[in-house]
Amino acid sequence: QKEVEQDPGPLSVPEGAIVSLNCTYSNSAFQYFMWYRQYSRKGPELLMYTYSSGNKEDGRFTAQVDKSSKYISLFIRDSQPSDSATYLCAMRLQGGSEKLVFGKGTKLTVNP
Amino acid sequence: ETGVTQSPTHLIKTRGQQVTLRCSSQSGHNTVSWYQQALGQGPQFIFQYYREEENGRGNFPPRFSGLQFPNYSSELNVNALELDDSALYLCASSLGGGNEQYFGPGTRLTVT
Repeated sequence: QKEVEQDPGPLSVPEGAIVSLNCTYSNSAFQYFMWYRQYSRKGPELLMYTYSSGNKEDGRFTAQVDKSSKYISLFIRDSQPSDSATYLCAMRLQGGSEKLVFGKGTKLTVNP
Repeated sequence: ETGVTQSPTHLIKTRGQQVTLRCSSQSGHNTVSWYQQALGQGPQFIFQYYREEENGRGNFPPRFSGLQFPNYSSELNVNALELDDSALYLCASSLGGGNEQYFGPGTRLTVT
């Protein structure tokens, strides 16, 4: 079993839709949870960074962490064609080398 | 504030050769991490440097080595290149201590 599981999609939605992206993980010691957006042939761009459980909102983006279920989500409201990218979840332990463990990424296309 | 930069952008090498990739960390950041991203996969942690010392290593063979310099820039060296080393190599910098990691644009290495 991989440490972080993420459905690679692809996911295709119409402009304005609410998008839900998810990851599950197996290591209950993970404490920091991140979502990165990666456009084709570019480096990942940090979208959301949360510590432990709970919700965090930033504009059209909401990140949720449920540590009891080992499940994290990213919601995108009013999706735009410019949101078309691959979304990567990542997580890490507290302390140590700060190694990020990534999911495989979900490829999202928002159609105008 | 200057972001993370990497050089070169693209590189083509022959199996068995050696390669050096370079990374300049974001201004003020003292920690650099290197990741390998194969096509269609999430980034995989190679190693991290904190204040010029290796601070954690992923499941990569010793022919992957690195350096961090007093100005916190870093190099990734790969010896005896193999075809499977073809990937996007990403550098991420942070302030350490649990802070966010910011990625550069990556170096795309092709081994023929």
